[in-house]
Amino acid sequence: GAGVSQSPSNKVTEKGKDVELRCDPISGHTALYWYRQRLGQGLEFLIYFQGNSAPDKSGLPSDRFSAERTGESVSTLTIQRTQQEDSAVYLCASSSERTGTQYFGPGTRLLVL
Amino acid sequence: GNSVTQMEGPVTLSEEAFLTINCTYTATGYPSLFWYVQYPGEGLQLLLKATKADDKGSNKGFEATYRKETTSFHLEKGSVQVSDSAVYFCALSRIDSNYQLIWGAGTKLIIKP
Repeated sequence: GAGVSQSPSNKVTEKGKDVELRCDPISGHTALYWYRQRLGQGLEFLIYFQGNSAPDKSGLPSDRFSAERTGESVSTLTIQRTQQEDSAVYLCASSSERTGTQYFGPGTRLLVL
Repeated sequence: GNSVTQMEGPVTLSEEAFLTINCTYTATGYPSLFWYVQYPGEGLQLLLKATKADDKGSNKGFEATYRKETTSFHLEKGSVQVSDSAVYFCALSRIDSNYQLIWGAGTKLIIKP
């Protein structure tokens, strides 16, 4: 497709379960970013990929959070042993090296019960 | 460090009023500056951007000028519509920080008919 896509669009899970969130960036975009947006708040940076490597993981809030990217394309954000405070919208963005402008997916709304 | 400060909301205006949402930034070097918009129930969309001093970004009747002397990037529109009701985010990015976006907290705009 033409834009960034994310799946699932909504996820409800029980506390303690693991979840995987997927991001498909714009084709040809080498950079990929994950953000978290809690209700009524701004965006919180989680992790950045350049190609398949992650030079900046500084935003991951705990070791329960991890992410990978393969084929310089799809990325998966995994949250293990989810907690209620993980409830948020998780946003993915991608950008090209030429412009650096980030384009966002629609997000995955995660609710941990 | 780098930071973005934007005016707190909500901002409530009547239709056809003039809009200004203030944004100031702190950064070394020469960041690119952005306004993103998030309409109710939708994802983040790039509204406009400027990459160097005195550049003016514009889109959908909105404008913002990159003012290095005042480190500002205020968003303006001459005549707002109900459909402009959304949350507006100011952000900056720098090449030497992997184009990571530094976000303002967002300003909720409510336009009344």
